[in-house]
Amino acid sequence: DTGVSQNPRHKITKRGQNVTFRCDPISEHNRLYWYRQTLGQGPEFLTYFQNEAQLEKSRLLSDRFSAERPKGSFSTLEIQRTEQGDSAMYLCASRLDGTGELFFGEGSRLTVL
Amino acid sequence: GDSVTQMEGPVTLSEEACLTINCTYTATGYPSLFWYVQYPGEGLQLLLKATKADDKGSNKGFEATYRKETTSFHLEKGSVQVSDSAVYFCALMDSSYKLIFGSGTRLLVRP
Repeated sequence: DTGVSQNPRHKITKRGQNVTFRCDPISEHNRLYWYRQTLGQGPEFLTYFQNEAQLEKSRLLSDRFSAERPKGSFSTLEIQRTEQGDSAMYLCASRLDGTGELFFGEGSRLTVL
Repeated sequence: GDSVTQMEGPVTLSEEACLTINCTYTATGYPSLFWYVQYPGEGLQLLLKATKADDKGSNKGFEATYRKETTSFHLEKGSVQVSDSAVYFCALMDSSYKLIFGSGTRLLVRP
């Protein structure tokens, strides 16, 4: 499978714990995006990378959220001190510069108890 | 900032009925426009796109035309099937190459 891969697919955690999600983009894609989707809503942009550089962060990305893409390949999204309001589906997408389409992974669902 | 507005669902149709899902956008310039579909339990998939005014995107019997005058990109299909039941998202690509999505429209097609 050469699509965008996300792990874990589902994470259940207690409030206050830290969680980390991983995204492996399509191998030649240099742009990588993170979105958050809550029930009944469209995906909301969180942040994106061009290669290893984080180019833009949304106001939605509080200080408890951090994303990295250390070698311009896979990316991680860490949420510290989780809150119930962080419960959502976290989507990763990748794109090759010069093309219009973002390819999405199946998402990582976070449930904070 | 840029934004996308699409009609609220759910939209419930009988098989073989005609479908229109309205989508309008607000943006500086002329962004590329997209329709993505999310089938139950699956990830977002690109359905169709249009990159400039008057372009028509089409795929799997669905069509949408980029209307600059009305800032719209309505999704249409002449005869829906049960297998088209899904959530449909309209989106634009802004000047920094990220997608801005609408809130989605759930389509339910009954046999």
